[in-house]
Amino acid sequence: AQTVTQSQPEMSVQEAETVTLSCTYDTSESDYYLFWYKQPPSRQMILVIRQEAYKQQNATENRFSVNFQKAAKSFSLKISDSQLGDAAMYFCAFLESGGGADGLTFGKGTHLIIQP
Amino acid sequence: DVKVTQSSRYLVKRTGEKVFLECVQDMDHENMFWYRQDPGLGLRLIYFSYDVKMKEKGDIPEGYSVSREKKERFSLILESASTNQTSMYLCASRRFYPTTGGLGGTGELFFGEGSRLTVL
Repeated sequence: AQTVTQSQPEMSVQEAETVTLSCTYDTSESDYYLFWYKQPPSRQMILVIRQEAYKQQNATENRFSVNFQKAAKSFSLKISDSQLGDAAMYFCAFLESGGGADGLTFGKGTHLIIQP
Repeated sequence: DVKVTQSSRYLVKRTGEKVFLECVQDMDHENMFWYRQDPGLGLRLIYFSYDVKMKEKGDIPEGYSVSREKKERFSLILESASTNQTSMYLCASRRFYPTTGGLGGTGELFFGEGSRLTVL
């Protein structure tokens, strides 16, 4: 079974600075997808960024980018120019490719605090 | 935009009561999911459904059942609520997966706002 580990229960960063959230995973599969989800205090989870394991290029969405290290099974999220609206729980998630209709496997989350 | 609606944001029930949590999605998604979210434990999958009338157990199905009579609706049922079922429940939907010949979705889940259940 796949496991996803987020080693930072909580992170704090000054507004406008850059922060990196870490995520590692364990799998024997070679083809899979990785996600970062954001859950603001209103509770609705939204997708931040998605990475396909077969793509070597790191995914980027505006201020959000990932550092995907397949050999190390690492998938960190970098948030540049942090804004107050970035404060939320962030979850890293894994999905096996071609494995059926299973749900995503989630990490335990990182609580990101933005200091004004 | 995909909309996933959970019928109740907050519920308070008593031990032993039967509880229904309803979830409706408006994007004709085949797959639907129920997760439970607890502090320090992240999200854990309770049940999921491939399609209408199909259901599969997730990682923590004990004490729960589900119903999917219509494609857009996926219900989570607590037959006899217990205090250890006090939690946040998240419903999610997704276009069918895996991809086949370019069809299908990206694997992304779309979530509802959650239902906070307290069992006294």
